[in-house]
Amino acid sequence: DVVVTQTPLSLPVSFGDQVSISCRSSQSLANSYGNTYLSWYLHKPGQSPQLLIYGISNRFSGVPDRFSGSGSGTDFTLKISTIKPEDLGMYYCLQGTHQPFTFGSGTKLEIK
Amino acid sequence: DVQLQESGPGLVKPSQSLSLTCTVTGYSITSDYAWNWIRQFPGNKLEWMGYISYSGSTSYNPSLKSRISITRDTSKNQFFLQLNSVTTEDTATYYCARVRQGYWYFDVWGAGTTVTVSS
Repeated sequence: DVVVTQTPLSLPVSFGDQVSISCRSSQSLANSYGNTYLSWYLHKPGQSPQLLIYGISNRFSGVPDRFSGSGSGTDFTLKISTIKPEDLGMYYCLQGTHQPFTFGSGTKLEIK
Repeated sequence: DVQLQESGPGLVKPSQSLSLTCTVTGYSITSDYAWNWIRQFPGNKLEWMGYISYSGSTSYNPSLKSRISITRDTSKNQFFLQLNSVTTEDTATYYCARVRQGYWYFDVWGAGTTVTVSS
């Protein structure tokens, strides 16, 4: 299985901060056609996970532009600029290139 | 608006089978997409379990070996999870979710249902 290593595990923030979360995979997530299936999710307590970013850098419908994704191959980053209260929760990356699909271990975005 | 809702017993005894239903509204499960089961263990680790596609084909996580089966009832627009020979390590919150085949991201999730395996 592809191992996805997500860092940091915890990210204490203040509102208005800009932060980055990293995901690294144990093998390249680019398939033979050059497509990379790396997505990011936010899971708030008591809610279901919500899709933020797909295909490395594409914001899903309704996702604010303060969320951005980048990367290639095995290294990927989610950036959140100007953090707001509604951004708090657990962030996960997911690789969908290789089955079984695997998630990162999660990053908890919390108030300092 | 597409919605998914999980249902099933919240408590299952060890060695028994876990059976869950995902009811889909607002979209036909035979039109497109693949329909998945994902679980979250205590401690927050997420595990993809498998899916049934709109055509009825299935794909499973090899870690679940021969314990898992995902089926569907197209007349009720539902799909199902059966996990056999459960142990306490199968205690988790179970989510059903939709994935767009060829793009491989989960765009709609159910609210989740917690299943505890205990005698």
